[in-house]
Amino acid sequence: SAVISQKPSRDICQRGTSLTIQCQVDSQVTMMFWYRQQPGQSLTLIATANQGSEATYESGFVIDKFPISRPNLTFSTLTVSNMSPEDSSIYLCSVEDARTASTDTQYFGPGTRLTVL
Amino acid sequence: RKEVEQDPGPFNVPEGATVAFNCTYSNSASQSFFWYRQDCRKEPKLLMSVYSSGNEDGRFTAQLNRASQYISLLIRDSKLSDSATYLCVVNIGDDKIIFGKGTRLHILP
Repeated sequence: SAVISQKPSRDICQRGTSLTIQCQVDSQVTMMFWYRQQPGQSLTLIATANQGSEATYESGFVIDKFPISRPNLTFSTLTVSNMSPEDSSIYLCSVEDARTASTDTQYFGPGTRLTVL
Repeated sequence: RKEVEQDPGPFNVPEGATVAFNCTYSNSASQSFFWYRQDCRKEPKLLMSVYSSGNEDGRFTAQLNRASQYISLLIRDSKLSDSATYLCVVNIGDDKIIFGKGTRLHILP
């Protein structure tokens, strides 16, 4: 499967600031996704990062709060803007790996653990 | 009804025992199903896909029951290293997958 890295692995931020999380994949992938996992909860899809066009956001998530870039087929960024303590969470990127037999199988990066004070 | 429901557990099981847990889903049009494993403070990792005919991978067996809209995971001869949270994942179309909240499994020595 694809090898996925994320930066930073963790951060502690002050409320009102913004943090940009990077996701790098070792191969070109069509589909990249950003998820949030709040403490004790499962994963919730924030948006699908589309190469060459705006991201597609899920209900409850908006571009102003979570701007996403996807400049090419191996890289994406998620920004958490104007942070509040409620944004404390793990943020994960995932990809669908076209090299696998099942094109709808997703593989996850190691996550970014964000704490907002 | 929630889209994907799991018993949160924890399941406390002695080493060597067999354990099974189920997951129900609400979208009858769902086509793909998966079990992921998530260790504490780690990302989810694909354990196995679940096919209509069921599938087996070593000590792990996954089954799908479309009529009742549930999938199951059976772990035989459990090992201490099987301790983790097991996430049921359902593809609802358009490349979107929904995660259950997970079932925590503790294998006891």
